[in-house]
Amino acid sequence: DAGVTQSPTHLIKTRGQQVTLRCSPKSGHDTVSWYQQALGQGPQFIFQYYEEEERQRGNFPDRFSGHQFPNYSSELNVNALLLGDSALYLCASSPVTGTGAYEQYFGPGTRLTVT
Amino acid sequence: LAKTTQPISMDSYEGQEVNITCSHNNIATNDYITWYQQFPSQGPRFIIQGYKTKVTNEVASLFIPADRKSSTLSLPRVSLSDTAVYYCLVGDPRYQKVTFGTGTKLQVIP
Repeated sequence: DAGVTQSPTHLIKTRGQQVTLRCSPKSGHDTVSWYQQALGQGPQFIFQYYEEEERQRGNFPDRFSGHQFPNYSSELNVNALLLGDSALYLCASSPVTGTGAYEQYFGPGTRLTVT
Repeated sequence: LAKTTQPISMDSYEGQEVNITCSHNNIATNDYITWYQQFPSQGPRFIIQGYKTKVTNEVASLFIPADRKSSTLSLPRVSLSDTAVYYCLVGDPRYQKVTFGTGTKLQVIP
């Protein structure tokens, strides 16, 4: 069973450009969350998708947008890239069903460098 | 959303038991406590989750006192490969924006 996969692994973009990152959730998971992790910091929540809709959003500008497809995979889009967007972008998937809390499974991340 | 406070860093010798405590004074009734481990340039990995008392799995134990205002992650007989950052999270990601703190950087010394 493949866990959470993300692509690409690394990416270098120029300031002002746009980027799309992709995530495939763990089998059986239908909720996908995206996080941004700057060097030396903990992951910061960007948004969460469930049933192809954005369900929750963190304190990120509208330049950050996303999408979830019927097969539960997801994309993160960032427009008008800034140098400060350089970070490790993490995707996490989780199941919605069941009682009690649950664990999120994280992908390996995409390292984005903006020059 | 409950805020968590952890020590910034800890050192331990190989083979020792390590206890990392997390404070979460404003934990809500429905909140769970979850610990993650993260190695450099990798995604966080789930270690253990609990609601109250004690939870144990094959890699760690989680101790939660009756008031639930703190929790302690216990790693038995650490090895060099346990050198990582450990995050304590409080809440339920299904319904809340989950926020990671700065974590505790554990350095295991030979």
